[in-house]
Amino acid sequence: QKEVEQNSGPLSVPEGAIASLNCTYSDRGSQSFFWYRQYSGKSPELIMSIYSNGDKEDGRFTAQLNKASQYVSLLIRDSPPSDSATYLCASPGPPTGGGNKLTFGTGTQLKVEL
Amino acid sequence: ETGVTQSPTHLIKTRGQQVTLRCSSQSGHNTVSWYQQALGQGPQFIFQYYREEENGRGNFPPRFSGLQFPNYSSELNVNALELDDSALYLCASSPSGRDEETQYFGPGTRLLVL
Repeated sequence: QKEVEQNSGPLSVPEGAIASLNCTYSDRGSQSFFWYRQYSGKSPELIMSIYSNGDKEDGRFTAQLNKASQYVSLLIRDSPPSDSATYLCASPGPPTGGGNKLTFGTGTQLKVEL
Repeated sequence: ETGVTQSPTHLIKTRGQQVTLRCSSQSGHNTVSWYQQALGQGPQFIFQYYREEENGRGNFPPRFSGLQFPNYSSELNVNALELDDSALYLCASSPSGRDEETQYFGPGTRLLVL
């Protein structure tokens, strides 16, 4: 079982709509989660992090964490076509004292259409 | 901009050769991690260095090795290149603190092994 799982998509939404991206994780000890955006041919760019259950809002982005159900999601509001990219969910897993490797999902491709 | 730079941007090698990839982090970012990203996949953790010592390693063979220097630069060395080593290699740095989790990625080096 993969530690972090995402639907690869593509997820298509019309311009101005809300895009909902989901991620599930297997290790209940995981305490923090990160969302990265990656444009084709570029490197991942940090969008936001979330550590506590509930919602965290930053501009057009809202991250949601539910530790009981082991999922984390990213909502993107008022999506312009420039939001078209692959969105990666990542977690360092539970603290081990042996470095903080990030485990990534395979990413969900988002297409925002005119 | 994350303040993380990598060189070269692109590289072509042949099977069996050796390659050195370089990364430069911002001042104060004592932790550097290296990832390999194959096409269509999320980044895979190779290893992490903190204050010039290895601080965690992923499931990669010993022919993948690294160094971190006092001036916030680091290297990834790969010996005996194989065709499957073709990928985007990403360097990520983290602010001070051994367990600081937020990682900021450089632009990456795209390696093609023929």
